[in-house]
Amino acid sequence: NAGVMQNPRHLVRRRGQEARLRCSPMKGHSHVYWYRQLPEEGLKFMVYLQKENIIDESGMPKERFSAEFPKEGPSILRIQQVVRGDSAAYFCASSPSNDRGGTQYFGPGTRLLVL
Amino acid sequence: AQTVTQSQPEMSVQEAETVTLSCTYDTSESNYYLFWYKQPPSRQMILVIRQEAYKQQNATENRFSVNFQKAAKSFSLKISDSQLGDTAMYFCAFMKLTSGTYKYIFGTGTRLKVLA
Repeated sequence: NAGVMQNPRHLVRRRGQEARLRCSPMKGHSHVYWYRQLPEEGLKFMVYLQKENIIDESGMPKERFSAEFPKEGPSILRIQQVVRGDSAAYFCASSPSNDRGGTQYFGPGTRLLVL
Repeated sequence: AQTVTQSQPEMSVQEAETVTLSCTYDTSESNYYLFWYKQPPSRQMILVIRQEAYKQQNATENRFSVNFQKAAKSFSLKISDSQLGDTAMYFCAFMKLTSGTYKYIFGTGTRLKVLA
């Protein structure tokens, strides 16, 4: 059973470009979460999605960031017009349910560097 | 307000020795889950151990065990017989219900170095 897949693993963008990060959850998992980790910090929740629905985007910046989890295909985190402050590791996690005890399984992360 | 606090930014331990990483948290809930994750230099997040608050027994996974003190809201991780491969950042996490969603709240991490 393959784990959570993320690609690309490393992404370099110039200021003003778009970054598109992909996440394929574990087989059988329909709940996807995106977290951001700034250098030397812990992970911070950004958004929680189920298929075709954004459930909770309370941790996502209001501008330039968007996320989707279509019926078919991976979840996408999109950052438009990137700035240097967007440089971070972005982790995707998945779980079979969203309940009090649901362990979230993390992908390897995408390291975004904005030049 | 900080929900999860890891007060030790860095620690080191000699190979084969035992080390304890501390974590405290804040909640008004009575039923919840706590986790320890390991992040080695590869930066992959690896689940180390999970504790259910309603269980009295401390969780154990091989060389890793926790000391869960519910009244004190403390959740420390003990690593026995430390190995070089244990060198990593360790994050304590609390699963919190916020805005109708269960999500992880992570501490700021403890960087552990195992010395040969």
